Amino acid sequence: EVQLVESGGGLVQPGRSLRLSCAAWGFTFNDYAMHWVRQAPGKGLEWVSGISWDSSDIIYADSVKGRFTISRDNANSFLYLQMNSLRVEDTALYYCTKRNSGRHFDPWGQGTLVTVSS
Amino acid sequence: QSALTQPPSASGSPGQSVTISCSGTSSDFGAYNYVSWYQQHPGNAPKLMIYEVKKRPSGVPDRFSGSKSGNTASLTVSGLQAEDEADYYCNSYAGGNSYVFGTGTRVTVL
Repeated sequence: EVQLVESGGGLVQPGRSLRLSCAAWGFTFNDYAMHWVRQAPGKGLEWVSGISWDSSDIIYADSVKGRFTISRDNANSFLYLQMNSLRVEDTALYYCTKRNSGRHFDPWGQGTLVTVSS
Repeated sequence: QSALTQPPSASGSPGQSVTISCSGTSSDFGAYNYVSWYQQHPGNAPKLMIYEVKKRPSGVPDRFSGSKSGNTASLTVSGLQAEDEADYYCNSYAGGNSYVFGTGTRVTVL
């Protein structure tokens, strides 16, 4: 069974950093692009960032560009999101998801909550 | 990148049909047919319901169907059931490996 499990969320002050991790099971991790999507409390889904299977192609939403860095460890099937200079508006549940060949996201992890507050 | 536009809410009685629209610009949808739809029940992660405009993953009931015309995609749920009550989001590949989600629609089964 394909599984994605996020971790690393928590309460952090504005301006500080946090690193999210996503562990993957049940598929050949290095065959797939991976993405992060977030959802602020009570709000809709927002695409955050994506990375190709070999890390050669990386892209970010304008809202996080220059502050967040996506990376992956294919040897151990992990996806990461380094978040720097965090802002109150980055508060959200962060989901890790596998991008399939049809440019769709499936499956999704259960999410890890990031709260940015003083 | 602005979110794709969806109606905030839609509703129908059990057995009826409901259609959710997802509107954007030509740059949102591009020349691609990479539109997908996700169902999200409260407290749960999103679940893929439709991909590549109209394809259904295995396990998704054929009551769910998708279509696209110009810069508007649609999701239709036929034969509404109580378990269909959820939030639904569209998503489009916007080129350059970037993606955009819709604003979301809450479907209520009356």
